[in-house]
Amino acid sequence: GEDVEQSLFLSVREGDSSVINCTYTDSSSTYLYWYKQEPGAGLQLLTYIFSNMDMKQDQRLTVLLNKKDKHLSLRIADTQTGDSAIYFCAERGGSSNTGKLIFGQGTTLQVKP
Amino acid sequence: EAQVTQNPRYLITVTGKKLTVTCSQNMNHEYMSWYRQDPGLGLRQIYYSMNVEVTDKGDVPEGYKVSRKEKRNFPLILESPSPNQTSLYFCASSSRTETMNTEAFFGQGTRLTVV
Repeated sequence: GEDVEQSLFLSVREGDSSVINCTYTDSSSTYLYWYKQEPGAGLQLLTYIFSNMDMKQDQRLTVLLNKKDKHLSLRIADTQTGDSAIYFCAERGGSSNTGKLIFGQGTTLQVKP
Repeated sequence: EAQVTQNPRYLITVTGKKLTVTCSQNMNHEYMSWYRQDPGLGLRQIYYSMNVEVTDKGDVPEGYKVSRKEKRNFPLILESPSPNQTSLYFCASSSRTETMNTEAFFGQGTRLTVV
């Protein structure tokens, strides 16, 4: 079945790089997403990557995709206290094409000053 | 401003008392869905709708109903709420394409407590 796994917690110091990892099982996924959820808010799309890409960079964000290992990572350079949030990895349920997003459990990023 | 609006933001209710959480989007999106978010489980899809009058079950539909009479609105109905439906609920919408690779826009969430 379709499943997405993330570690639950990551703590870094301000100015360091953060790397949030995600694994997924659906090999037919065509798009993989990273969402950010700040306290008391909804989910905001940060970035996404198409499955035929290995890497995508967008300012401080770098997404790496290892399709063979079904491993996705989000690197945040020069992490700031404003980056403290929950980060969700998600894939579209590619095999069903219903548009369903399958989410990981979310990684809470804590940034210490 | 493009947005998905949910109401109410917070709700405390008693077991068995019917309630409706409303969701409205102003982007003319065909696709709308409801998710619930629980600690350690991420978000799970409850119901979705590909277009007006077209709805289908997601992964956790038990105890919920939905309707899609108009394109912009997709209410979530709990006919007889139970404490295990205490959760944070999100409505989302996106435009529909063949590959469904479009961005999903999320509402601010509704925190429901059933006592």
